[in-house]
Amino acid sequence: DAGVTQSPTHLIKTRGQHVTLRCSPISGHKSVSWYQQVLGQGPQFIFQYYEKEERGRGNFPDRFSARQFPNYSSELNVNALLLGDSALYLCASSARQGTYEQYFGPGTRLTVT
Amino acid sequence: QKEVEQDPGPLSVPEGAIVSLNCTYSNSAFQYFMWYRQYSRKGPELLMYTYSSGNKEDGRFTAQVDKSSKYISLFIRDSQPSDSATYLCAMDKLTFGTGTQLKVEL
Repeated sequence: DAGVTQSPTHLIKTRGQHVTLRCSPISGHKSVSWYQQVLGQGPQFIFQYYEKEERGRGNFPDRFSARQFPNYSSELNVNALLLGDSALYLCASSARQGTYEQYFGPGTRLTVT
Repeated sequence: QKEVEQDPGPLSVPEGAIVSLNCTYSNSAFQYFMWYRQYSRKGPELLMYTYSSGNKEDGRFTAQVDKSSKYISLFIRDSQPSDSATYLCAMDKLTFGTGTQLKVEL
């Protein structure tokens, strides 16, 4: 079975630009969460979606937004990129809301110059 | 004070050693405790998932939770070079530690 997939693998953007990251969960999983991992730190929770609705939001500015599609795939959007947004963006899927048993994708490495 | 504290290491051990990795936390409401392994430039991989206090064993890995001390541990027996990675603890409310870098040397 395919695991969580994310695209693109790497991305380089300029300050002020917008970026869209994509995630496909494990087949049958209905919950997707997004994390930001800065080098040398643990993942920081950004959003959780379940059945296409936002179920949780971390302490991130409104420049960050996300959505989940009917096929349970998800997009993370970041507007007005800052240098500090450079990080590994991780998507994790789980079978249902309320479980902490999550499976991560390989991540998208975003570099903002 | 961070909700979850984890020594970043690096921790270097010889092959075959028993490794002990630890996290402390401040929120007594946490009930779910996870350990992830993360290889360089990869996503975290779920190793162990435990609820409340006690021990859980899976092959060479044992997870321990002591809620009275707000302290969790991951033990790796017969460590192998392939265990070299960063180990992240995580709690409910999707809270992660900073990770401990482990290197198992031949």
